[in-house]
Order: sequence, then C-alpha cells, then structure tokens
Amino acid sequence: GAGVSQSPSNKVTEKGKDVELRCDPISGHTALYWYRQSLGQGLEFLIYFQGNSAPDKSGLPSDRFSAERTGGSVSTLTIQRTQQEDSAVYLCASSLPELNTEAFFGQGTRLTVV
Amino acid sequence: GQNIDQPTEMTATEGAIVQINCTYQTSGFNGLFWYQQHAGEAPTFLSYNVLDGLEEKGRFSSFLSRSKGYSYLLLKELQMKDSASYLCAVRDQRLQAQLWSRLMGSTLGRLYFGRGTQLTVWP
Repeated sequence: GAGVSQSPSNKVTEKGKDVELRCDPISGHTALYWYRQSLGQGLEFLIYFQGNSAPDKSGLPSDRFSAERTGGSVSTLTIQRTQQEDSAVYLCASSLPELNTEAFFGQGTRLTVV
Repeated sequence: GQNIDQPTEMTATEGAIVQINCTYQTSGFNGLFWYQQHAGEAPTFLSYNVLDGLEEKGRFSSFLSRSKGYSYLLLKELQMKDSASYLCAVRDQRLQAQLWSRLMGSTLGRLYFGRGTQLTVWP
C-alpha cells in the first residue's frame, strides 16, 4: 500500500486476554517503530526494528509485551494478559534506512481493555 | 538516557508568529525532527535538522544547536488549522544499538519523542 497500515483500527478486549496488533510498513522501509500514546500524552517509545532484528527493545514496559517482524516487512506487537493500564493508541511508523528520512506513521490501533 | 523537554501548552492569535522550544539530552545524536499531530490523528512530519542552523520550509522553520542541545520550531502567519500538538523528536542510539550498528553497518537509531506542545490558535 501507499502508506503504513495498522490493523485492527479499534480493539476492545477483556482484562487478562492476549491481543495482537499488526503493522504493514511502507514497501522498502527497513526501519520500523512501535509507540504507545495514552490520552493527552506524548509518544512512548516501545521498540525499534532494523530489518527483522530489534537493536533496541528498551521501551517495552514489561515481559507481557513482545514484538516480531518477519520478511523485513510486517510486524506484530503482542500484549499478553492485558491490563487496564494497557489501554492506549498503539502507533507504528516506518522509514527508509537513511538518517535524513522521516518516519511515516500509521493511523494507529486504539486498544481498550475492559 | 534521553530527556526531551518542551512546553506543554502555548496560545497565539491568527497571523502571529510563535516559537516552540525543545531541549534535549541524548547519548548518540542522529538528528532532530518536528512532527505535527492533530487530535485523533497520526503525527505528520514537518522538519528535520542534523546540522546546526536554520531550515526553512514555507511558513515553518526549524533551528538546531547541537552544542546547546536546543531546537525550536517557528511558525509564521498562523492559521486556525495550525492548532495542534507539535512533537519534538530525537533520533539517537543507545550504546547497545551503537555496537549493533557497528557490526551490522546500520546507523539508524530509535526516534524518541517529547510530550508535545499543544498550540491553540485564536481568531
């Protein structure tokens, strides 16, 4: 596609359930980022991929959070045993591997844990 | 670690000029970005600085001083549609990622955002 695509756009889940959030980056973008944004807050960095590898996982808030990327393209963010504090918009961005290129964002997945 | 500071809120009137400041501390600086985010929407790219000085793009300009860890975004001829959150972001690399990059030949790092400055433009 022409832009970064995230699915689902909205997800309501019960506390304790696992969820998977998907990100399809722009074709050819080898760098991929996941962020979390709570209402009225800034973007909280979660994890960064270069190709299929994650050189920086420092932002993952707990071991309930994990992410993978396959084929240098699609990425999945998985949250296990969801908690109410996980409710937020999860944003994915991708960029070319050059330093001076911007990251393009998807529209995000709004996760609500009830 | 990384620390990015910017004002929480600013207000201005249509037609005016506003300057949004951003200070940062980072371990491996690889460039500074400004993004605009309207409520309920994804952030969109405004500007990029990696060298000291001013970058101008239409009504928007961005300045960087690496020695001071300081940047600002200048918005001229404000319009109502400029009411949005403005996010300062630094591309940097933690030490582990720097070592990984030396091995793998990549120089990118994570893109770390400040909390954003909510700008309200009044008629």
